[in-house]
Amino acid sequence: LAKTTQPISMDSYEGQEVNITCSHNNIATNDYITWYQQFPSQGPRFIIQGYKTKVTNEVASLFIPADRKSSTLSLPRVSLSDTAVYYCLVGDRARTGGYQKVTFGTGTKLQVIP
Amino acid sequence: EAGVTQFPSHSVIEKGQTVTLRCDPISGHDNLYWYRRVMGKEIKFLLHFVKESKQDESGMPNNRFLAERTGGTYSTLKVQPAELEDSGVYFCASSQDRGGTVDEQFFGPGTRLTVL
Repeated sequence: LAKTTQPISMDSYEGQEVNITCSHNNIATNDYITWYQQFPSQGPRFIIQGYKTKVTNEVASLFIPADRKSSTLSLPRVSLSDTAVYYCLVGDRARTGGYQKVTFGTGTKLQVIP
Repeated sequence: EAGVTQFPSHSVIEKGQTVTLRCDPISGHDNLYWYRRVMGKEIKFLLHFVKESKQDESGMPNNRFLAERTGGTYSTLKVQPAELEDSGVYFCASSQDRGGTVDEQFFGPGTRLTVL
C-alpha cells in the first residue's frame, strides 16, 4: 500500500483558502486518491476523490499533478466548522468489487481561527 | 436515508471479558468494513465483507477477534477475551458497489471500547 505523508497540523483564519498537500511517492497505477474529513467523536466523512488532474465538487477541489506523487486538497473560504482532521488516502483497488482498501495516515489537523 | 449506525457508542469492560460490537450499514450497501484506532495510533483496516462473505480479513489482529455478517445485513465484531491493548475506537463503514470504480465509504460514529 502506498504510504502518505501530510502536515501534522495547520492553522488558518476564517475566510481564507486552505491548501493541504499530501505526498504519496509510491502510488500505484490503479490507486485512487481520496480525502476524508473527521470531526471529534465522529467517523471519517468522504470529501473528494480523484485519479489525475483536477476534481472539484461543492465542498473542495483536488489537484493532482501528472506524476501523481502528490495531491493537494483545496478548501475555499474556510469557516470555523471546517476545523477537523483531514486524511489523505491512497488505496489499492481490489480486482473484484472495486473497493478501496483504505489506509489512514496520521492526518492533518486543521484549526480555523476566527 | 439513515447512515451507518453502531452500537454501543461506548463500552467499558474488564480484561478477560467478552464484548460484541454491532454495525448496521446503509441499506443496500453490500460492502461493509471494520476499522479501529487504538490510542494515539492511526485508523487501521480490520476486515471487509461483501454481503455475508469475508473478502479480506488481513487486518484482524489475532484470533480473539471474530467478525460475522449473517444474512449480509448487519455485522458484529466480537472480542473474546478482551485485552488492555484492545482499547480504542472501532469504526464501521459501508459502501455500494459501483461496478468497477472505487467506492465512497460511509463511516459510522464509532464504538469507543475501554478495557480495564
